Amino acid sequence: EVQLLEFGGGLVQPGGSLRLSCAASGFTFSNYAMSWARRAPGKGLEWVSGISATGGTTYYADSVKGRFTISRDGSKNTLYLQMNSLRADDMAVYYCAKEVGVGGNTGGHFDHWGQGTLVTVSS
Amino acid sequence: QLVLTQSPSASASLGASVKLTCTLSSGHSSYAIAWHQQQPDKGPRFLVKINRDGSHIKGDGIPDRFSGSNSGAERYLTISSLQAEDEADYYCQTWDTTIRVFGGGTKLTVL
Repeated sequence: EVQLLEFGGGLVQPGGSLRLSCAASGFTFSNYAMSWARRAPGKGLEWVSGISATGGTTYYADSVKGRFTISRDGSKNTLYLQMNSLRADDMAVYYCAKEVGVGGNTGGHFDHWGQGTLVTVSS
Repeated sequence: QLVLTQSPSASASLGASVKLTCTLSSGHSSYAIAWHQQQPDKGPRFLVKINRDGSHIKGDGIPDRFSGSNSGAERYLTISSLQAEDEADYYCQTWDTTIRVFGGGTKLTVL
């Protein structure tokens, strides 16, 4: 059974940093691209960042480009999102999602999701 | 620009059927999309992927009440025999080489 468990959320001040982790199990982690998405209060889902199966290619939404960094560790079956220069509009529940392909244009839909971790940005 | 458009809300009665629509932006009518459900206070769940030819693949354990179809640039999610637990937000999602895109979501109310 595929399981994705996010952790690392919490309260951070504007301008601060936070690193989210997503522990994956139940599938061969290194064979699939992964993504982060978020849902801010009162808003819809927003894709944040993705990484190819090999980790060699990363992509970002314009809203986080230059501030967030996605990475993965195949030895730990873990996906990461380093978030710097956090702003009030970054406050959201962050979800990790498994893609069906290796990345790029090959099977870019999500077939499994985690339960999410809440990031609160406030002074 | 790759954009998905959804109506913000929909409603239907318990036991009835409802058809949700997701429209692909101009120039992108051949793209496949996926539908995801998000119930209150839960993570999203993948429901079905719909290809340009109308063929579709469902997620694990998704009941037959959920089905996908298409017409031109529109992709549909039909839910039949509506149950109370179908009250949720529904998002369509697509992708290109370096981006993934969600529609704005449709809030479904089961009356």
